[in-house]
Amino acid sequence: QVQLVQSGSELKKPGASVKVSCKASGYTFTRYGMNWMRQAPGQGLEWMGLINTNTGNPTYAQGLTGRFVFSLDTSVSTAYLQISSLRAEDTAVYYCARDGVDRSYYYMDVWGKGTTVTVSS
Amino acid sequence: DIQMTQSPSSLSASVGDRVTITCRASQSISSYLNWYQQKPGKAPDLLIYAASALQSGVPSRFSGSGSGTDFTLTISSLQPEDFATYYCQHSYSTPRTFGQGTKLEIK
Repeated sequence: QVQLVQSGSELKKPGASVKVSCKASGYTFTRYGMNWMRQAPGQGLEWMGLINTNTGNPTYAQGLTGRFVFSLDTSVSTAYLQISSLRAEDTAVYYCARDGVDRSYYYMDVWGKGTTVTVSS
Repeated sequence: DIQMTQSPSSLSASVGDRVTITCRASQSISSYLNWYQQKPGKAPDLLIYAASALQSGVPSRFSGSGSGTDFTLTISSLQPEDFATYYCQHSYSTPRTFGQGTKLEIK
């Protein structure tokens, strides 16, 4: 079945880096883009951006600094989110979601279960 | 950036009630509007895309309407499993912003 499997929870110290993975299965990875979202504790969803899995071209939400990088390894159908120079305010659940499309309408139809990143000294 | 505003932010209702949640965009987004349901500790699920298209497997008690700047999500007869938080999101352009969410609670 179509699914996205994300890597496990991470506990990091401020200033460290983390790389979250999102492995796709059950469909052709390069046919659908991949979105990334985050959800801080008790807060709503924030769209961080997406990556074109065919070209590798990323689109980042404005305000998302250069500390956030989307990447791919198409040989293993996996998307990655790397966050450097971690801060306490990066503590959140990070989700990947497939960029489904019908005609010209885009939507997120398959979601990973989320990866909790906790930044604490 | 296009801002999405949902109302109400929270809502109390009973099983069997008809419920409507509203989402307003800061500019016209045609029908590029999606609705998601999120239960505590879980990833969101897609309910509606293109403002009114029901995602496969979603019960028919869910419906969406609207175009331009004003949209609604309606649940025709609330079931116990529908108590959750609902988010709208546009896909007209990037960034594809979400509304702030509407928490639907049991009365």
